[in-house]
Amino acid sequence: IAGITQAPTSQILAAGRRMTLRCTQDMRHNAMYWYRQDLGLGLRLIHYSNTAGTTGKGEVPDGYSVSRANTDDFPLTLASAVPSQTSVYFCASSEAGGFTDTQYFGPGTRLTVL
Amino acid sequence: AQSVTQPDIHITVSEGASLELRCNYSYGATPYLFWYVQSPGQGLQLLLKYFSGDTLVQGIKGFEAEFKRSQSSFNLRKPSVHWSDAAEYFCAVMGTGGFKTIFGAGTRLFVKA
Repeated sequence: IAGITQAPTSQILAAGRRMTLRCTQDMRHNAMYWYRQDLGLGLRLIHYSNTAGTTGKGEVPDGYSVSRANTDDFPLTLASAVPSQTSVYFCASSEAGGFTDTQYFGPGTRLTVL
Repeated sequence: AQSVTQPDIHITVSEGASLELRCNYSYGATPYLFWYVQSPGQGLQLLLKYFSGDTLVQGIKGFEAEFKRSQSSFNLRKPSVHWSDAAEYFCAVMGTGGFKTIFGAGTRLFVKA
C-alpha cells in the first residue's frame, strides 16, 4: 500500500510558467487537501475536496486551481507561477473530512520559482 | 477566527529528559485539537488528537497531551525523550465545517546526547 504519492519530488520553475503538481492516493479516501509549508508559518490550506467532483477554497487559494475528476487524484495547478509560490507543497487525504478524521500526508513537493 | 500559537520556535532537550511543547489556540466553540510530527524530508504524521471527554490524551510514540480549556492550551508532553524524537512538531485546530485545519508555525525539537 503506497498511501499518498506526490510528483515531482522537487522542481525548479521559471516565473510565468504553468505547473501541475500531482497527488494520488490509494486509500479510497473521500477528502483530499493541498497545503503549502513555509518557514515560520506552518502549513496553510490552499484547496480541499470533500468528495470527487467538488472542491473548495482554503486559506491561501489565489494563484492555484484544483480539480477532482475521480476519488484517487487531486492535481494542483499553478497557471502562471510567481516567486512567492516557492514552497514545499503537501497533499493529504482523510476518509471523510469530518472532525474525527485523521489526515494522511504525502512526502511533499519542493517547488522553487525563479 | 481560529488561530494556533506555538511560542517556542525551537527547543533543545537532553536524551532521557522530559519534554513539554506548548500550544495555545483561539477558537470560539469546542476545539478539535491535533499534534503532528514531521521528520526531516517527510510529510506530517498524526501523534494524537482531542475531540471531547478525558482531557489527557494518549498518542503514539509515548506522547501525551493535556487539554486545558481555562488556559486555551493543548501542550504536548513526553516523560523521556529519545534521539529519534528530533523533528518538527505542529499543533493544529480544526476549523468550522470540518475541512479546514489551522496549523501552528511549528516547534523544532533538537535532542542532545
